Amino acid sequence: DSQLTQSPSTLSASVGDRVTITCRASQNINNYLAWYQQKPGEAPRLLIYMASALESGVPSRFSGSGSGTEFSLTISSLQPDDFATYHCQQYNTYPWSFGQGTKVEIK
Amino acid sequence: QVTLKESGPVLVKPTETLTLTCAVSGFSLNNETMGVSWIRQPPGKALEWLAHLFSNDRKSYSRPLKTRLSLSKDTSKSQVVLTMTNMDLVDTATYYCARGVVGRAYDIWGQGTMVTVSS
Repeated sequence: DSQLTQSPSTLSASVGDRVTITCRASQNINNYLAWYQQKPGEAPRLLIYMASALESGVPSRFSGSGSGTEFSLTISSLQPDDFATYHCQQYNTYPWSFGQGTKVEIK
Repeated sequence: QVTLKESGPVLVKPTETLTLTCAVSGFSLNNETMGVSWIRQPPGKALEWLAHLFSNDRKSYSRPLKTRLSLSKDTSKSQVVLTMTNMDLVDTATYYCARGVVGRAYDIWGQGTMVTVSS
């Protein structure tokens, strides 16, 4: 089974900062990697799929990159609405799996 | 508009069986490019993938929970049902159903339903 390790677990940043979250897979997942944003009390929202494809309606300040086992999510200029928890997920092979999440907090 | 909505008991006792229903609309459970998964999230913790139902009725289950989980669907009602046996305190969580699309992972999620296990 593919395990995902996200880092950091918590990130403190200010509005306007560029932030990057990483996700490492225990084996090659062939770019079948998605990123989600989750706010308290809400369901996750798809941001990025296939490692770098931007979901419709998602602001262009979000971008994904990486391949094989190393992936990252970057927010180019953090906005007040972006303070949330971010999850990566692999869907290369079943059972699909999630990372442990990264909480982006206000500095 | 595509929607998914979970329903089921708010409270279950230890050792009981949990039955959750996911009612979908806006797409067909027979669509070959789509399926429905169940995912849960204990309070303050990470998302945990539980199970997936393919359009051809094939199922995939979490290895640690495989013996406790069962999926079924009622295409006429556009519903997917998750059954989890022998509930324990550690199964307290928000349970989500989500649409999985080939190549796009989970594009639409239900609102989630909180299940508490307590005697």
